[in-house]
Amino acid sequence: QVQLVQSGAEVKKPGASVKVSCKASGYTFTGYSMHWVRQAPGQGLEWMGWINPNSGGTNYAQKFRGRVTMTRDTSISTVYMELTRLTSDDTAVYYCARGVAGYDFWGQGTLVPVSS
Amino acid sequence: DIQMTQSPSSLSAFVGDRVTITCRASQSISRSLNWYQHKPGTAPKLLIYAASALQAGVPSRFSGSGSGTDFTLTISSLQPEDFATYYCQQTYSSSITFGQGTRLEIK
Repeated sequence: QVQLVQSGAEVKKPGASVKVSCKASGYTFTGYSMHWVRQAPGQGLEWMGWINPNSGGTNYAQKFRGRVTMTRDTSISTVYMELTRLTSDDTAVYYCARGVAGYDFWGQGTLVPVSS
Repeated sequence: DIQMTQSPSSLSAFVGDRVTITCRASQSISRSLNWYQHKPGTAPKLLIYAASALQAGVPSRFSGSGSGTDFTLTISSLQPEDFATYYCQQTYSSSITFGQGTRLEIK
């Protein structure tokens, strides 16, 4: 069965970086794009970008360009999302999601509180 | 970016009610519109893709319609487990956007 398992919660200080992993199983890893979506406390869903695990190609939301990097390691079927120069506004739950027509499978979410 | 506007922002209803949520795009997105259900502490769940296609395993009381700029999600007979926040999402543009969400509460 398809599963996306994300890394655990990380507390960060302002100015730091965070790198969240998402390990896929149960399907052909290189056959589907992987997207990242976040939800800040009390806010809605926000799309951050996607990566093509086959080619490594990426497309980032304008808001995050220059601060976000999405990468993949095909040998372990894992994608990564790194966000730099964190501020309190980046406090959120971060999700990876498999892209088909819509996001049919999601990771469990990774909480990243940013606080001094 | 394409702006997605949902209405209403919140809604109270009884179990058994028929409920409709609307989503309007700031420009035509053809039928590149998906709907998700989100409950606190869980990952969002895909309900409808391509405006009207029911995702596998989703109850048939959920339906979607629309094209161009105007879309609707309808729940034909609300069940207790349907109380959640619902989001539309456009994937027409390379810059994907979500609506702001509609919170569906028990009356």
